Amino acid sequence: GAVVSQHPSWVICKSGTSVKIECRSLDFQATTMFWYRQFPKQSLMLMATSNEGSKATYEQGVEKDKFLINHASLTLSTLTVTSAHPEDSSFYICSATTDSYNEQFFGPGTRLTVL
Amino acid sequence: KNQVEQSPQSLIILEGKNCTLQCNYTVSPFSNLRWYKQDTGRGPVSLTIMTFSENTKSNGRYTATLDADTKQSSLHITASQLSDSASYICVVANDYKLSFGAGTTVTVRA
Repeated sequence: GAVVSQHPSWVICKSGTSVKIECRSLDFQATTMFWYRQFPKQSLMLMATSNEGSKATYEQGVEKDKFLINHASLTLSTLTVTSAHPEDSSFYICSATTDSYNEQFFGPGTRLTVL
Repeated sequence: KNQVEQSPQSLIILEGKNCTLQCNYTVSPFSNLRWYKQDTGRGPVSLTIMTFSENTKSNGRYTATLDADTKQSSLHITASQLSDSASYICVVANDYKLSFGAGTTVTVRA
């Protein structure tokens, strides 16, 4: 149980294009989903927290107009990287929980490469 | 500032040997401490979660300890296997946020 999936697992795009990453909780309803970014040999950095049906809460320094988050249902959240640039290349990981700070279940991550 | 520091940054051990990873934190207030295993190119997978009152928790060959007074935790890997090669991340939760350590990269060699 408690499986979180992400799609796609990797994506390569041209600079200036937008990329959408999906995060799904497969066998439970997630009241809260989190989006993280991880650069090589660094730890996860929280980008934003989203609750179903409400606007996401972004961490300081994360541009909400560039990283659009939609949490339309209790099993799906999407992260759209708009007008992607090479510096946005990173490993994006989502997590989902029913009880925000008791347990979080992480997805397998999405590797984004912007050329 | 809430911080989680892990040591060593990386280590190499021979298959079958034991190793211990360290985690010191300054997160306050404290809710729980978690250890995750992250394989290269994958998301973190939970190994253990410990609350304030728990001193030790095991998950197979992984044993975590917690000293809430000194704000230290350790993760002990027994009889290491090649599949234990990964990054091990210490995460401390307070009432509203997770603080991540930078991780210890463990390489197990045959």
